[in-house]
Amino acid sequence: AQSVAQPEDQVNVAEGNPLTVKCTYSVSGNPYLFWYVQYPNRGLQFLLKYITGDNLVKGSYGFEAEFNKSQTSFHLKKPSALVSDSALYFCAVRASGGSYIPTFGRGTSLIVHP
Amino acid sequence: EPEVTQTPSHQVTQMGQEVILRCVPISNHLYFYWYRQILGQKVEFLVSFYNNEISEKSEIFDDQFSVERPDGSNFTLKIRSTKLEDSAMYFCASSATGTASGNTIYFGEGSWLTVV
Repeated sequence: AQSVAQPEDQVNVAEGNPLTVKCTYSVSGNPYLFWYVQYPNRGLQFLLKYITGDNLVKGSYGFEAEFNKSQTSFHLKKPSALVSDSALYFCAVRASGGSYIPTFGRGTSLIVHP
Repeated sequence: EPEVTQTPSHQVTQMGQEVILRCVPISNHLYFYWYRQILGQKVEFLVSFYNNEISEKSEIFDDQFSVERPDGSNFTLKIRSTKLEDSAMYFCASSATGTASGNTIYFGEGSWLTVV
């Protein structure tokens, strides 16, 4: 079975400071990892994904994520947070073989203070 | 940029009534999905659909749920007899491919279902 843990329900950061939203995963075999963002009253928007290759993945809106196989983590990062980044962030994982259905985490609410 | 569109955005229904949620996936996509998100909880997979049949479904997707692709563009989720616990945001999604190369799934903006 595959699973995702987002250990923080909420992350608070001041505008201009770096942000990190944590994600760890469990999957059989190699993982495909995804980050999505959900703004209030909107659907999930794809941010970035890791399939293979460089462990540092760059995505939309200046976000990036680092795949760490030994720690089974895929933390989302941004060097300088904006108030407009405030949203709900979901990490998802699926195994590279078998079911292609990703499993989502519970989501982390990011609040960026002016 | 192509989008997944869903209707209605919000529906209130009485317990026991049938509900149909509609979706128009991205036009060249072949795989379609329904997920749901109960308020404050994680996004849960319901069902995937490919080549006019269900390819995978979760334990949540029991006999009261059904999906259909009635024409070349729409993809619907029917809940036969709604229960209070069906109140959730229902997301339709689509992807160009299924199994290969870490397909990206694109989501619609959701249909918020309230059962009273």
